[in-house]
Amino acid sequence: TQLLEQSPQFLSIQEGENLTVYCNSSSVFSSLQWYRQEPGEGPVLLVTVVTGGEVKKLKRLTFQFGDARKDSSLHITAAQTGDTGLYLCAGAEGYALNFGKGTSLLVTP
Amino acid sequence: KAGVTQTPRYLIKTRGQQVTLSCSPISGHRSVSWYQQTPGQGLQFLFEYFSETQRNKGNFPGRFSGRQFSNSRSEMNVSTLELGDSALYLCASSFGVPNTEAFFGQGTRLTVV
Repeated sequence: TQLLEQSPQFLSIQEGENLTVYCNSSSVFSSLQWYRQEPGEGPVLLVTVVTGGEVKKLKRLTFQFGDARKDSSLHITAAQTGDTGLYLCAGAEGYALNFGKGTSLLVTP
Repeated sequence: KAGVTQTPRYLIKTRGQQVTLSCSPISGHRSVSWYQQTPGQGLQFLFEYFSETQRNKGNFPGRFSGRQFSNSRSEMNVSTLELGDSALYLCASSFGVPNTEAFFGQGTRLTVV
């Protein structure tokens, strides 16, 4: 099983701040997905990145896939309280998804 | 378009009992995967079914089993429950081809007492 490490594990910021969370692996992934999960709910897919060097934007969220397809980052601009949640990255491994342990983000007013 | 439906949402069981969880995938999706989520281990892959066949299995004991029906609905069963089986069990559906997107249900919260 390919290990995915996410950092930081926890992040507490105020509304309006910018932040970046990271997802790193020593292995190459054919694709990588980012999810956000709220307490007691299932993860909700945010984006899938496939091509090395790819950058995708989703409103205030910017996702980047590393050139070597071993790492990815998620940047949030001007965070809002509604961004609070657990951010998970997952690499495709056969017909399964291999998840990192996530970054728990708290955005306070 | 209806999402992934998992039933029940919550379950409380006693050690030694068995439990069956159900997952109805998005219409048209033929792959259903199951995951266990705990605070310590995060999301861990249990198994994946496609067209009634198990294609992939994670590193879990044989007490954990599953099946898929011809309408793509899936069930997972845990026998001889242990306290450590307490977790959020999530299922995800997809078209079942590489790099395809997976959509999760809300999960079943299992508590073993």
